[in-house]
Amino acid sequence: DAKTTQPNSMESNEEEPVHLPCNHSTISGTDYIHWYRQLPSQGPEYVIHGLTSNVNNRMASLAIAEDRKSSTLILHRATLRDAAVYYCILKEGAQKLVFGQGTRLTINP
Amino acid sequence: DTEVTQTPKHLVMGMTNKKSLKCEQHMGHRAMYWYKQKAKKPPELMFVYSYEKLSINESVPSRFSPECPNSSLLNLHLHALQPEDSALYLCASSRTPGPNYEQYFGPGTRLTVT
Repeated sequence: DAKTTQPNSMESNEEEPVHLPCNHSTISGTDYIHWYRQLPSQGPEYVIHGLTSNVNNRMASLAIAEDRKSSTLILHRATLRDAAVYYCILKEGAQKLVFGQGTRLTINP
Repeated sequence: DTEVTQTPKHLVMGMTNKKSLKCEQHMGHRAMYWYKQKAKKPPELMFVYSYEKLSINESVPSRFSPECPNSSLLNLHLHALQPEDSALYLCASSRTPGPNYEQYFGPGTRLTVT
């Protein structure tokens, strides 16, 4: 399975944008980039995914580098409820989500 | 409705007990998954069911036995577990198993083996 690299932790302030980076230098042409988050004591929650183009939804934006070797999850205006572990995952045709260690995001009031 | 339900929420069982975890979704999804999550670790895939057939078993010990009776229901039968099997067991589903579909997770069953 292709691997991703994320910072162990990040910190931001409430109502400010947050940019969560992910490196995936060994990505293949058919790998989709998925982001999930897990709030304390809850199951993981889908955030967003994409293949080549940037994607937006009600929760976040996903910016994908032109060479696809990295991507950035953007939370446009962080709230305290966005404090979670964020996982960047490459999903290929093998049906599997392989979770890495993720980034623990702390939001300061 | 994007809900995956899991029962029970908590389970304590002895090493000689037999118990089952249940997962249900009514989104018409044809792929369902079991994950195991130890404390402070990421979820690890255990099993994948695709169109009610077991398609992936991640070398899980036979004391864990999955079952998919129909397209909405997924069970995990537990027998002769060890204390190290104590973990959060998560169920998920997706429209199909393909890479372009997101997975929806349930809240999990927190299992303690004594």
